[in-house]
Amino acid sequence: KNEVEQSPQNLTAQEGEFITINCSYSVGISALHWLQQHPGGGIVSLFMLSSGKKKHGRLIATINIQEKHSSLHITASHPRDSAVYICAVRVQGGSEKLVFGKGTKLTVNP
Amino acid sequence: KAGVTQTPRYLIKTRGQQVTLSCSPISGHRSVSWYQQTPGQGLQFLFEYFSETQRNKGNFPGRFSGRQFSNSRSEMNVSTLELGDSALYLCASRVGPLGVEKLFFGSGTQLSVL
Repeated sequence: KNEVEQSPQNLTAQEGEFITINCSYSVGISALHWLQQHPGGGIVSLFMLSSGKKKHGRLIATINIQEKHSSLHITASHPRDSAVYICAVRVQGGSEKLVFGKGTKLTVNP
Repeated sequence: KAGVTQTPRYLIKTRGQQVTLSCSPISGHRSVSWYQQTPGQGLQFLFEYFSETQRNKGNFPGRFSGRQFSNSRSEMNVSTLELGDSALYLCASRVGPLGVEKLFFGSGTQLSVL
């Protein structure tokens, strides 16, 4: 079992829909990152969370440390939101390496 | 401020050759980490350098190595290339202590091994 599990793997939505992507992890962490990757490879960091909730524009990220779960929400989705969204956790103690989920491919149709 | 710069953008090599990839972090960032991304395995951590010292290393064979220079620029080297090394190699610079960090990724080097 992977240390970081994302769902769904693929998601297709219509423009304007509310979108939720989930991330569950099984290790102790010091931080969780939500990343966005567009075709061509470049990755942009959207959020870093260690507790609670963060909001940036139409994006909202939440984390529940006790339940080892995080969600990324996109309100009023737009075709430009089409990308792969990746959850990554900073493992606590030891190597403190980043461990990644497999990503969620989001397609927003006009 | 310039972003994280990776060179070259694309690279084609043959099995058995070696390759060196370069990463220049954002000015002032002292931490550089490297990642391999493949369709099958996704993103995997290779290693992290901070102030010229390797801090962490992922589960990759010894053919994968790296170093960091005094100006924080980093290189990674893969020797005796195998077909399975074909991947997008990404580097990231980090600012802030672990747990409250911010990450900045380069555009990656797409390596094809023939």
